Amino acid sequence: NAGVTQTPKFQVLKTGQSMTLQCAQDMNHNSMYWYRQDPGMGLRLIYYSASEGTTDKGEVPNGYNVSRLNKREFSLRLESAAPSQTSVYFCASRETGNQPQHFGDGTRLSIL
Amino acid sequence: QKEVEQNSGPLSVPEGAIASLNCTYSDRGSQSFFWYRQYSGKSPELIMSIYSNGDKEDGRFTAQLNKASQYVSLLIRDSQPSDSATYLCAVNRPTGNQFYFGTGTSLTVIP
Repeated sequence: NAGVTQTPKFQVLKTGQSMTLQCAQDMNHNSMYWYRQDPGMGLRLIYYSASEGTTDKGEVPNGYNVSRLNKREFSLRLESAAPSQTSVYFCASRETGNQPQHFGDGTRLSIL
Repeated sequence: QKEVEQNSGPLSVPEGAIASLNCTYSDRGSQSFFWYRQYSGKSPELIMSIYSNGDKEDGRFTAQLNKASQYVSLLIRDSQPSDSATYLCAVNRPTGNQFYFGTGTSLTVIP
């Protein structure tokens, strides 16, 4: 049972490069989320998708775009990477109602 | 005011002791409360959910919720070195799909 799968696990980019972080879940969850985690800052929500076909901004959306490709997949795109986007990125999913979130293993992204 | 606040610690307890972790939240209408454990370099892992006032026990873990005081706590009995991790408190507000996380409390259990 894979749960939430994120790819890649590690990535190094140069400033100005673009890339897409992939996330897929096999739990048939409606809602999916992208967070970044920085030392001392906790988890900060970038974007979320309450259901297939919808996306909403979170706390720190600037510099990012998302696509909810289908119910399983939710991707995060950095169009022009900046050193301030160096972070660990987590994807999460959950069922609706009062259900908890379940996290992927994360992507460790460094931008030089 | 932050949505969810936790003492960052670090909190150190001897092996076998009770570790007490605390969390306060700002939205009085919040309905769902969660504790996650995060080992260094790993992703958050759900350990407890609590939805109503009172205590909820699961093995060595007890979650306590007091909605009147807007306070959630996690007690870890018979603490083990393997409990050393950062513990994140999360709150699901009644409107929308957003969760709010505290910055986490770092716990070290000393053998």
